[in-house]
Amino acid sequence: GAVVSQHPSWVICKSGTSVKIECRSLDFQATTMFWYRQFPKQSLMLMATSNEGSKATYEQGVEKDKFLINHASLTLSTLTVTSAHPEDSSFYICSARDASGGIETQYFGPGTRLLVL
Amino acid sequence: QKEVEQNSGPLSVPEGAIASLNCTYSDRGSQSFFWYRQYSGKSPELIMSIYSNGDKEDGRFTAQLNKASQYVSLLIRDSQPSDSATYLCAPSDQAGTALIFGKGTTLSVSS
Repeated sequence: GAVVSQHPSWVICKSGTSVKIECRSLDFQATTMFWYRQFPKQSLMLMATSNEGSKATYEQGVEKDKFLINHASLTLSTLTVTSAHPEDSSFYICSARDASGGIETQYFGPGTRLLVL
Repeated sequence: QKEVEQNSGPLSVPEGAIASLNCTYSDRGSQSFFWYRQYSGKSPELIMSIYSNGDKEDGRFTAQLNKASQYVSLLIRDSQPSDSATYLCAPSDQAGTALIFGKGTTLSVSS
């Protein structure tokens, strides 16, 4: 089956620092990847859609200058949380869209837990 | 606004029973429908997909789709304690490029 990896799985950082999270599709090419955020006991919230070779599309209310997304290749998208603050502490999950089987299906990475002190 | 409605639960069933999870969606253009399972503290895992009206069976799971009623369901037969999780219903958007997630139904299977 399709496998999506994320790195790192855990990040603890000081307030004001920037954190980069990588999302990779390991056995398929993904022209589109998605970034979600999930707070404890809450539902998934789509932050942005990342398209290979073009600018990401951000959901309403998500600051594009704070959450920088780069999708430089068909297997890698990165999310950089710039000048992180405690309120950015959350579970960040990426997904990648696999269209190789004729039907587009999203597969999720294992997620990255961010704790900003 | 596109919406996906799920009963948040918790839905409690005894081990060995059938668990029935329901979902309604508002976007008539949705063509693909997915069920994801999310264990506490983990990311969602794809368990079923369905594209045509009717039933689709995969092991203990059966997905049912009725596009006219804008309704999709997931049945879990012979429920096990390991099935205890939150189940997310996710129709695709009309373009088929993104998923619209419901808030999920929490299932608790007691032994």
